[in-house]
Amino acid sequence: EAGVAQSPRYKIIEKRQSVAFWCNPISGHATLYWYQQILGQGPKLLIQFQNNGVVDDSQLPKDRFSAERLKGVDSTLKIQPAKLEDSAVYLCASSLQGVGVSPLHFGNGTRLTVT
Amino acid sequence: EDKVVQSPLSLVVHEGDTVTLNCSYEVTNFRSLLWYKQEKKAPTFLFMLTSSGIEKKSGRLSSILDKKELFSILNITATQTGDSAVYLCAVGRGSTLGRLYFGRGTQLTVWP
Repeated sequence: EAGVAQSPRYKIIEKRQSVAFWCNPISGHATLYWYQQILGQGPKLLIQFQNNGVVDDSQLPKDRFSAERLKGVDSTLKIQPAKLEDSAVYLCASSLQGVGVSPLHFGNGTRLTVT
Repeated sequence: EDKVVQSPLSLVVHEGDTVTLNCSYEVTNFRSLLWYKQEKKAPTFLFMLTSSGIEKKSGRLSSILDKKELFSILNITATQTGDSAVYLCAVGRGSTLGRLYFGRGTQLTVWP
């Protein structure tokens, strides 16, 4: 079974620039998550999709972050404009069903450095 | 406020030692507790616990949940250098589509 695919692996940008990350979940997984992991901390949920609908985006800084999951498969997360504090690893995860039923499977993440 | 607390934050042991990692939580509408191992990349799934008192086991790793005292432990016996990683505890709340809250993790280092 192919895992969760993410790209790019690394990205370095200057503050105020924009950046986009891409995620392809495990085939058949209806639920897709974007997490932000700052060095030394646990992952923090940014947004959760069920198929192509948003389930939870309460912790997404909507003034600069946006995400979409067109057609209920691939997803993109965008930051515009980036700030220094956005430097983190952005993890995409998917699950067959929700957290009470099936575990999340994570991609390798995108390490973002904002200078 | 929902929270997940792991202890210790870091641990250094020698190969062959047994370690116990702790995870306590305060989450409304508890649904499940998950353990992940994170090396330099993606967290990899270890266990998912939903019922109290039932031990889950995989090789040298085992875990158990106490829903009354609101904690879980992850045991690793006969540790190996390959066990060196950050171990993350996460708690799911609410509906089956509820959010997963992560602790900060325990950094385990196993010396040869």
